Amino acid sequence: SQQGEEDPQALSIQEGENATMNCSYKTSINNLQWYRQNSGRGLVHLILIRSNEREKHSGRLRVTLDTSKKSSSLLITASRAADTASYFCATDAGGSGAGSYQLTFGKGTKLSVIP
Amino acid sequence: DTGVSQNPRHKITKRGQNVTFRCDPISEHNRLYWYRQTLGQGPEFLTYFQNEAQLEKSRLLSDRFSAERPKGSFSTLEIQRTEQGDSAMYLCASSSLQGATGQETQYFGPGTRLLVL
Repeated sequence: SQQGEEDPQALSIQEGENATMNCSYKTSINNLQWYRQNSGRGLVHLILIRSNEREKHSGRLRVTLDTSKKSSSLLITASRAADTASYFCATDAGGSGAGSYQLTFGKGTKLSVIP
Repeated sequence: DTGVSQNPRHKITKRGQNVTFRCDPISEHNRLYWYRQTLGQGPEFLTYFQNEAQLEKSRLLSDRFSAERPKGSFSTLEIQRTEQGDSAMYLCASSSLQGATGQETQYFGPGTRLLVL
């Protein structure tokens, strides 16, 4: 079953604008990751934030994490047409020993950046 | 290309047939995951290998599904007696656990899209 929800489900913006996507999850986590998926293709890892971190930056990406609210946000600044894709947050509860770090994904936000 | 590769990229089969997919992980990664993604949904975990050992299986993995990872390198996922509900994208990911930090970035392959007629 899905861990949580991304919000909004779909977002359409003009090139150059900022895009903000939110993710909520249900259970305690170890790490939260954001992935991008172009139509019909595999997932590309964007950024990982640990449960004891509150904010992380990578290029035009800014991720925040609020574990008290069980939510995260992904901000893409100065968007480009090439950013058009679906964006997923994924959480893991961490493993112990040989335990897996299986990811639990939300349903994704479909971002359209209009040139 | 040193990323995760999957073959075939597309598979169309008739209901009742068996299909097998292959995943080649990043060479130094000892962990390998299979996920399934249906239209409009996020990927869902199916199973996980550490080296050659299959350590976890989701309830989604019915008896018709079997996965192997001989010698801890590539992995295969076989679906027997396929059903129309098996139509989905099957994604493979590999990773290497980052020691004491407990960080694990999973790198995904391009997926195999299965259509069962």
